[in-house]
Amino acid sequence: DTGVSQNPRHKITKRGQNVTFRCDPISEHNRLYWYRQTLGQGPEFLTYFQNEAQLEKSRLLSDRFSAERPKGSFSTLEIQRTEQGDSAMYLCASSHFRREDGYTFGSGTRLTVV
Amino acid sequence: GQQLNQSPQSMFIQEGEDVSMNCTSSSIFNTWLWYKQEPGEGPVLLIALYKAGELTSNGRLTAQFGITRKDSFLNISASIPSDVGIYFCAGQVKTSYDKVIFGPGTSLSVIP
Repeated sequence: DTGVSQNPRHKITKRGQNVTFRCDPISEHNRLYWYRQTLGQGPEFLTYFQNEAQLEKSRLLSDRFSAERPKGSFSTLEIQRTEQGDSAMYLCASSHFRREDGYTFGSGTRLTVV
Repeated sequence: GQQLNQSPQSMFIQEGEDVSMNCTSSSIFNTWLWYKQEPGEGPVLLIALYKAGELTSNGRLTAQFGITRKDSFLNISASIPSDVGIYFCAGQVKTSYDKVIFGPGTSLSVIP
């Protein structure tokens, strides 16, 4: 297993367009998290999945954001009608529920909305 | 809500020097974590601390879980150029999904 994989690594889109990011977690990890990170800040929690169930969503996740994890494996994060304020690094992380040693993060998707 | 503060915000040090950075919180955490992030990459876990008072080392890195469970520090000894990056402390709350909350980070620059 090569860790948490995120695609694409970079995305430039025009304001108003929809974008979708993919995250493939470590295979035995049943917990998956999405975070957003803006320049000069630490990552901020967006949402959490245990298997295929989305169990927690932050207030940061507006109605334009939707996340899925249909088979409890990979996850997608979609942003509709992108705004310039959506420009950020979107990080995915995974963990195993039996382990209490934090998360393993992917390399992130850098979104730039122009 | 829960907030973490890190100090200093940034550091510029000479290669070979020791480094110390701190993290404080208004809330109690069950686990303290220290991550390092390099440009264009996701955070990488350096050290995890599980008990108040615990002192843990990982190579040249040493971290401690404060007795009050509201603070932690990270020390780096004999810094080298590859230590450059942003160091984040994070607190983990024991909930149904073990939410991790990050501090704002300490940026470390090492001058050769």
